[in-house]
Amino acid sequence: KNQVEQSPQSLIILEGKNCTLQCNYTVSPFSNLRWYKQDTGRGPVSLTIMTFSENTKSNGRYTATLDADTKQSSLHITASQLSDSASYICVVSEGYQKVTFGTGTKLQVIP
Amino acid sequence: EAQVTQNPRYLITVTGKKLTVTCSQNMNHEYMSWYRQDPGLGLRQIYYSMNVEVTDKGDVPEGYKVSRKEKRNFPLILESPSPNQTSLYFCASSYKGPGTSGSSYEQYFGPGTRLTVT
Repeated sequence: KNQVEQSPQSLIILEGKNCTLQCNYTVSPFSNLRWYKQDTGRGPVSLTIMTFSENTKSNGRYTATLDADTKQSSLHITASQLSDSASYICVVSEGYQKVTFGTGTKLQVIP
Repeated sequence: EAQVTQNPRYLITVTGKKLTVTCSQNMNHEYMSWYRQDPGLGLRQIYYSMNVEVTDKGDVPEGYKVSRKEKRNFPLILESPSPNQTSLYFCASSYKGPGTSGSSYEQYFGPGTRLTVT
């Protein structure tokens, strides 16, 4: 069964600090991996999209990495801000036919 | 402004009363999809559509119907809602890209519809 597991489930960090969120997947065949940010009660917003041949992708203070051999991805947030408080969701696609979401990491940035 | 809209945003209904949640996008996207989000389970795909008149089941299609008569609209229909369909629903769209291997284009989500079935 295809699975996407994220860790930690939740995380509290001080404003200005860096953090790294993890995503391990068993989805096969692999098409792409996406990271989303979801504020409470709102729709997810795309942060990065990586295909098999890409091993890093940045979007401002967000940097995602992908190791397709070990089926692991990470999302690194630099110099966190209060507005980074949200859930971060890892999504792995086999294609349109199959999209598997992780349950997310809930990040809280405190002053 | 490029966006995906959903209506209604909130709905409380009773078991068995047919309802439709509308979804519309103004970006000329071929691909549209419906998801439901439940605590502890994350988002799960209900149905998706790769273009007009082309729809297919996702992971949890039971109890739902969709149609894609126009490119911009992708309504979700619950013919006979039940309490286990109480959830937060999201519609999303993106460009399709070539082939069927999946798009690397950004997927845009709607604001969500919170449905309660009593």
